[in-house]
Amino acid sequence: GAVVSQHPSRVICKSGTSVKIECRSLDFQATTMFWYRQFPKQSLMLMATSNEGSKATYEQGVEKDKFLINHASLTLSTLTVTSAHPEDSSFYICSAEMTETQYFGPGTRLLVL
Amino acid sequence: DAKTTQPPSMDCAEGRAANLPCNHSTISGNEYVYWYRQIHSQGPQYIIHGLKNNETNEMASLIITEDRKSSTLILPHATLRDTAVYYCIVRVEGGADGLTFGKGTHLIIQP
Repeated sequence: GAVVSQHPSRVICKSGTSVKIECRSLDFQATTMFWYRQFPKQSLMLMATSNEGSKATYEQGVEKDKFLINHASLTLSTLTVTSAHPEDSSFYICSAEMTETQYFGPGTRLLVL
Repeated sequence: DAKTTQPPSMDCAEGRAANLPCNHSTISGNEYVYWYRQIHSQGPQYIIHGLKNNETNEMASLIITEDRKSSTLILPHATLRDTAVYYCIVRVEGGADGLTFGKGTHLIIQP
């Protein structure tokens, strides 16, 4: 149990385009999901908290207009990187909360050329 | 800032027990100790968590000192697949906040 998936696993896009990443809880419902970002040789950094049916809460320094989060159902949250630039290239990881424990997806590696 | 302190790296021989320490001297009474690990280029994997009693599951054991200021994660029979970065995180159980990851311990299992 407690399986979280992400799609796509890796994506390459051109600078200025938008990219959507999906995060799904496969065998449980999650009122709260989280989005993290990890740069090479660094730890995960929390970007935002996504609550089903309400607006996401963003961490300080994360642009909410650039990183659009939608949590339309109890099993799906999406992160859209708008007008992506090379500095947005990173490993994006989501997690979903179940019984007071966060379970993580496998991550999405984004490369912006 | 992370509330925990871990050694940056450790080695352990395959088949032996791996003991990973974590210091959390400022832990609050309602904060749990969670352990995750991250194998290269993958999302973190939940291992175990506890409040004050020792805990054991199919993956590991968690030993928390009586004053709760430190803990040890024990992998009883380490295999090469246990090579990963291990993160010790304190968090209020059921809290609505995301996790704060420190730098973790890079555990290398030697054949």
